[in-house]
Amino acid sequence: NAGVTQTPKFQVLKTGQSMTLQCAQDMNHEYMSWYRQDPGMGLRLIHYSVGAGITDQGEVPNGYNVSRSTTEDFPLRLLSAAPSQTSVYFCASKGDYYSGANVLTFGAGSRLTVL
Amino acid sequence: KNEVEQSPQNLTAQEGEFITINCSYSVGISALHWLQQHPGGGIVSLFMLSSGKKKHGRLIATINIQEKHSSLHITASHPRDSAVYICATSEYNFNKFYFGSGTKLNVKP
Repeated sequence: NAGVTQTPKFQVLKTGQSMTLQCAQDMNHEYMSWYRQDPGMGLRLIHYSVGAGITDQGEVPNGYNVSRSTTEDFPLRLLSAAPSQTSVYFCASKGDYYSGANVLTFGAGSRLTVL
Repeated sequence: KNEVEQSPQNLTAQEGEFITINCSYSVGISALHWLQQHPGGGIVSLFMLSSGKKKHGRLIATINIQEKHSSLHITASHPRDSAVYICATSEYNFNKFYFGSGTKLNVKP
């Protein structure tokens, strides 16, 4: 019963470096999403996916890339990290709309610092 | 984009007190969600509601669709209720969620 697993939990990057935050779920959820959480602000949607091969942008997609090759995995890529991307990142998944399973299950979060 | 506002931002209560956290939103929604973020950072969903009221243990959530307002109540509060409570709305197809900035609750023994 792992739920949503995010790795790494902590990462420090230098400006301009690239990295990938991993997210995996074992609940056969069609919907997966990435959020960033900054002090004093609500969670903001970066990208989401409603199934393998289908992704779409959220509120704050710039500087981030995603792909969805399998139902289980939804990695978030930072191609050239900037200090403004210092944040806590959460991956979340849920069942598909038609099944009525519309409550998000969150990963534990990944704290990223860009120097 | 749905603007989601929560109040208060911070709340300190004595153990046993009745607590109310408020949430208002700007446009029509399919559902409203209440979540809890533990001091360690983990986020769990507490309620999803689109009308009326839901109760789970000492937690009660209500929503008024016409007024675009929801409340989360905690009866007989306990120090273990100390957390950040987050309100969120979801669109008609539940693909996009909009979150409030959270209410930090501290319950003192």
